[in-house]
Parts: sequence; C-alpha cells; structure tokens
Amino acid sequence: KQEVTQIPAALSVPEGENLVLNCSFTDSAIYNLQWFRQDPGKGLTSLLLIQSSQREQTSGRLNASLDKSSGRSTLYIAASQPGDSATYLCAVDTGRRALTFGSGTRLQVQP
Amino acid sequence: GAVVSQHPSRVICKSGTSVKIECRSLDFQATTMFWYRQFPKQSLMLMATSNEGSKATYEQGVEKDKFLINHASLTLSTLTVTSAHPEDSSFYICSARDRGRGRSNQPQHFGDGTRLSIL
Repeated sequence: KQEVTQIPAALSVPEGENLVLNCSFTDSAIYNLQWFRQDPGKGLTSLLLIQSSQREQTSGRLNASLDKSSGRSTLYIAASQPGDSATYLCAVDTGRRALTFGSGTRLQVQP
Repeated sequence: GAVVSQHPSRVICKSGTSVKIECRSLDFQATTMFWYRQFPKQSLMLMATSNEGSKATYEQGVEKDKFLINHASLTLSTLTVTSAHPEDSSFYICSARDRGRGRSNQPQHFGDGTRLSIL
C-alpha cells in the first residue's frame, strides 16, 4: 500500500526566504506526482505535475523535483511571499487513478 | 483550463437529513470521478471512485449505503450523504481527469469542496 509522508508538518519563515518542502513515498511505481496548494477552508489548486519519466518541473518561483527510485520529491519555493502562506500537499498517482495524498506542510510566511 | 464545479460549497443541516453534493466537469468528459473526505488538519482520504454508467467502488471502511454515489453522465457525479449525523461533518471534495487525454501527464482537477456541518 502506497504511503506518502511530508516533512515538515509546519513551517514558518520570514518573507524573502527560499524554502524546501519534502515529500516521500513508499512505492516507486508511480505514474506521476502532483503538488497542490490548499488555502484554509478551500479546495485544491494544482501547482506542478511531474511525470514519472521527468526529474523536475518549474513554474515561476516554484520548482519541483522527483527522484522516483528513492521515492522522494521536493518543492522549492524561491523568494517566499506572505501570499504563499497555505498548506502544500503532494500526491502520487500509483495506477489506481485516484491520488494518494501526504498529510501536507502548513506554511506561514511572515511579512 | 479544465474546471470542476462542486455544489454546494457549504451545507449546515440537522441530524438525520440527507445531503446531495454535485460534482461537474465543465469543459471535459470524465468517465471516472473521485470523492475524497478531509477532516480538520488532516489530508484527503479517498472515499470512493465514481464510474460513469456503473457502480461506484468504495474504499475499505466507507459505507456504501451511507454515501450513495451516482454517475449518470460523463460530466456529473453526485454524492448523497444519507441520514447524516454529526460525525459525518467534514470537507468533501471531488476530482476528475479528462478522459480524452493521456494518463501520465494530465493532472487531476479538483472541485472547491463542500463543507458539511451536521448539527
């Protein structure tokens, strides 16, 4: 059974810092890995999707990497802003078509 | 871009009421939609897979008679919480993927969720 773990569970940083969020998964047989953002009481916003054959994806200040063999992914946020404050979830598609989610990292960027 | 619409966004009702939540794919067809539940400060847990034209597939521990799923068309799935009780209070969210596009490089698209509060 696929298990997804995210570290840290919570993170507070001053504005402008670069930061890294970590995601690990136990079964490396995945189709893709997706990073989402969730604001309090809201749904999910897809940030980046990395296919199993890819090593990384970039969108603006966000960069996600994937090391499938070791079961790890990182989300790098450059020059963090207060508006980046949210919960960040990683999820893997392992062939059941539904996604298996990590428990998330709650990020607070202090002005 | 692909959009999934979920309605209603918030429901507050008395114990014993049945509540229907709709999930629509607005600009693509989805033979399969997924229903997740999220308790406060926890992650999303898959409840069931909704299959167009056939029975839904439920995850272990999810009561199919409690959570009725209907997927009558390629753009609509509904989740009905029957005789809801306070312990059913949660955030319910659906997702779908465009059936016409390749599997590995297409993201799942999520609705905005429904906050269900049973008094």
